[in-house]
Amino acid sequence: GAVVSQHPSRVICKSGTSVKIECRSLDFQATTMFWYRQFPKQSLMLMATSNEGSKATYEQGVEKDKFLINHASLTLSTLTVTSAHPEDSSFYICSARFGSNQPQHFGDGTRLSIL
Amino acid sequence: GEDVEQSLFLSVREGDSSVINCTYTDSSSTYLYWYKQEPGAGLQLLTYIFSNMDMKQDQRLTVLLNKKDKHLSLRIADTQTGDSAIYFCAEEGLGQGGKLIFGQGTELSVKP
Repeated sequence: GAVVSQHPSRVICKSGTSVKIECRSLDFQATTMFWYRQFPKQSLMLMATSNEGSKATYEQGVEKDKFLINHASLTLSTLTVTSAHPEDSSFYICSARFGSNQPQHFGDGTRLSIL
Repeated sequence: GEDVEQSLFLSVREGDSSVINCTYTDSSSTYLYWYKQEPGAGLQLLTYIFSNMDMKQDQRLTVLLNKKDKHLSLRIADTQTGDSAIYFCAEEGLGQGGKLIFGQGTELSVKP
């Protein structure tokens, strides 16, 4: 149980392109979804927290206009990296949980490479 | 801000026990987690412990929590080569909306 699916697993695109990453909870309804960024050999950095039907809460230093988050349903959240540049290249991972006293379950991540 | 610390590397022989340690600073921690990450993959939840527990055992995994010293450990019994991965400790503070603070990750290398 508690499966989180993330799509696509890998994206390579040109600078200036906008890229959308989907995060789905397959067998539970996710009250909260989280988006993380991970640099090579480093830990995870929380970018934003999103609750279904509400605006996402962004961490300090994360540009909300650059990283658009939509949590339209209890099973789907999307992260759109707008006008991506090479410095946005990274590993993006989402997680979801189905209650305030429940652990977060993670997707398999999306490797984004901007040329 | 709150901090979580782990040693970066651990090397063990196949069949031995591995102990991965973690310290944290948040005295209001409610849950503490252990996640496993294999190369190029996402994080797999291994186990978690509520802050009012001292120990939790799940098959080969044993979690020990010393709340007084803010020290968490993960013991893997009979370590196998498939256990080679990066292990992250994470803590969730009270009233933080589920926000997790992660350690830097411990790279476990299991030698045959």
